[in-house]
Amino acid sequence: DVLMTQTPVSLPVSLGGQVSISCRSSQSLVHSDGNTYLHWYLQKPGQSPQLLIYRVSNRFSGVPDRFSGSGSGTDFTLKISRVEPEDLGVYYCLQSTHFPYTFGAGTKLELK
Amino acid sequence: QVQLKESGPGLVQPSQTLSLTCTVSGFSLTSYNVHWVRQPPGKGLEWMGRMRYNGDTSYNSALKSRLSISRDTSKNQVFLKMNSLQTDDTGTYYCTRVVRKSYYFDYWGQGVMVTVSS
Repeated sequence: DVLMTQTPVSLPVSLGGQVSISCRSSQSLVHSDGNTYLHWYLQKPGQSPQLLIYRVSNRFSGVPDRFSGSGSGTDFTLKISRVEPEDLGVYYCLQSTHFPYTFGAGTKLELK
Repeated sequence: QVQLKESGPGLVQPSQTLSLTCTVSGFSLTSYNVHWVRQPPGKGLEWMGRMRYNGDTSYNSALKSRLSISRDTSKNQVFLKMNSLQTDDTGTYYCTRVVRKSYYFDYWGQGVMVTVSS
């Protein structure tokens, strides 16, 4: 199975600040069709995960442009600028290039 | 609008079989894929398996021997059955939708909490 390593585990932030979350995969996430199926989710307390970014860098409908994704191959980053209270929660990366799909262990974004 | 809703027993005894239903609305099971994902309390997410739009299924190899996913398109329902439950199967179980060839989960159900305990 593809191991997804997310860092850091916990990320203290001040409102209005900027943060980055790293996600590294144990093998390349480039699919045979040429696409890279690496996505980012936010799970707020008591809620289901919600899609933020799909295929590395595409914002899902309604996601503010404060969220951006980048990366390639095995190394990916989610950046959040001008952090707002509703951004707090646990962030997960997901790879769906290889079966079984696998998630990172999560990064908890919390207030300093 | 697109909705998925999981239902099933909140408590299952060890060694018994878990049966969950995902009832969908706002889209057709013959056009979209539905996956199951679970989450132990306070822990991360685990992909379990999927029902494709054409009726094909795929399973996480770690669960394959215990897991079965089926559907009833006339009722807009996808079913999960997992046998030989143990305490570490306790958690929240989600069904989620995937647009064909997109490979990402765009809509999720609210989840159903399942506790395995005697």
